[in-house]
Amino acid sequence: EPEVTQTPSHQVTQMGQEVILRCVPISNHLYFYWYRQILGQKVEFLVSFYNNEISEKSEIFDDQFSVERPDGSNFTLKIRSTKLEDSAMYFCASSPPRDGSSGANVLTFGAGSRLTVL
Amino acid sequence: AQSVTQLDSQVPVFEEAPVELRCNYSSSVSVYLFWYVQYPNQGLQLLLKYLSGSTLVKGINGFEAEFNKSQTSFHLRKPSVHISDTAEYFCAVTYTGGFKTIFGAGTRLFVKA
Repeated sequence: EPEVTQTPSHQVTQMGQEVILRCVPISNHLYFYWYRQILGQKVEFLVSFYNNEISEKSEIFDDQFSVERPDGSNFTLKIRSTKLEDSAMYFCASSPPRDGSSGANVLTFGAGSRLTVL
Repeated sequence: AQSVTQLDSQVPVFEEAPVELRCNYSSSVSVYLFWYVQYPNQGLQLLLKYLSGSTLVKGINGFEAEFNKSQTSFHLRKPSVHISDTAEYFCAVTYTGGFKTIFGAGTRLFVKA
């Protein structure tokens, strides 16, 4: 079964450093997303990406964050200058063209990248 | 504001007993509803979804959920749980035309022998 692949599985970084988290979505999917989950808390939406541009973003997704689809397969999340509070599990997700009858996006998630900021 | 409320943060239950995990969402004209399961140190796996049609939806691992529009609820049920069902369960909603899926805070199901 096709899956969303994320790398690295765990990254430890110093505060102020730049971090890039990588994702390979399912090949025929058109919508791409990043979510994060701070330890013990809920899964939070960060950003959605469609047709090579951001389609929606949350208030968490400030100027320190950016996303890119540099080629036909990768989807990256960059945090420019990490803060302690950026420590979390970051999940990439993708979804196919909207469900024909309902128009819904049905997400498939990757296993996550755990980011620890020291 | 769009929100999802999972009323129980933890649900302990004995093996082979029935279980219901509750979920309510803020009202809107049209929604799509999902339940995801997260096993320890793993990602989110889709358990079941309601997009349209029958309000009773069946998912993997014997779980089912019922969409109740008047009560804005989407409770998850299983008639007989197994030890292997121990996990975190997240209810989620997407509003029609939107891109983001909003998650509840999660319910930790703990199945005891």
